[in-house]
Amino acid sequence: EAQVTQNPRYLITVTGKKLTVTCSQNMNHEYMSWYRQDPGLGLRQIYYSMNVEVTDKGDVPEGYKVSRKEKRNFPLILESPSPNQTSLYFCASSLSGRGHPMYEQYFGPGTRLTVT
Amino acid sequence: SQKIEQNSEALNIQEGKTATLTCNYTNYSPAYLQWYRQDPGRGPVFLLLIRENEKEKRKERLKVTFDTTLKQSLFHITASQPADSATYLCALDVDSSYKLIFGSGTRLLVRP
Repeated sequence: EAQVTQNPRYLITVTGKKLTVTCSQNMNHEYMSWYRQDPGLGLRQIYYSMNVEVTDKGDVPEGYKVSRKEKRNFPLILESPSPNQTSLYFCASSLSGRGHPMYEQYFGPGTRLTVT
Repeated sequence: SQKIEQNSEALNIQEGKTATLTCNYTNYSPAYLQWYRQDPGRGPVFLLLIRENEKEKRKERLKVTFDTTLKQSLFHITASQPADSATYLCALDVDSSYKLIFGSGTRLLVRP
């Protein structure tokens, strides 16, 4: 089954404790992206990646890191989480790639992160 | 400043009627505009994509229009059903790049 998976689905952590949220897709998509969703603010793009080793900042990249060492994986890293990073996080992938038109995005189930 | 706006108030309609949702944007020149459906606690699900040179796109009971002069997209659901109740998000690429901006969504409630 074609899907985007995220782990963990729920995470409660403390300020300053490094964490990684994994994202994996099995559709051979070139484009992957991370979003956070907060009430009243909608979905905001954190980082996106056009292909392996190519990443770009979205609207709200501060406090986050990403890496794209393999096509299927795009982990989101919070080196020193703070309470204002408490949010619902979504990973997405798409056929879109450099030189190709924009295609629809397939979203993962979400990771609810609480930083105390 | 650049922004994308959707009605923040919920749209409440009777089953069988047509629902029309609006997405307005300023200071962007998108090449594509997309609509997604999101149910509570779940990831958005793609519905329709329309390109800047397309005026209208249809899929079953769904129709989307894209007016680059007005900087507006309209999303229509005809013969609405209670199962259509969800939040609908529009998204556009920023100035023909691969960076995406989403609206905050409009919640649709379809009464039986």
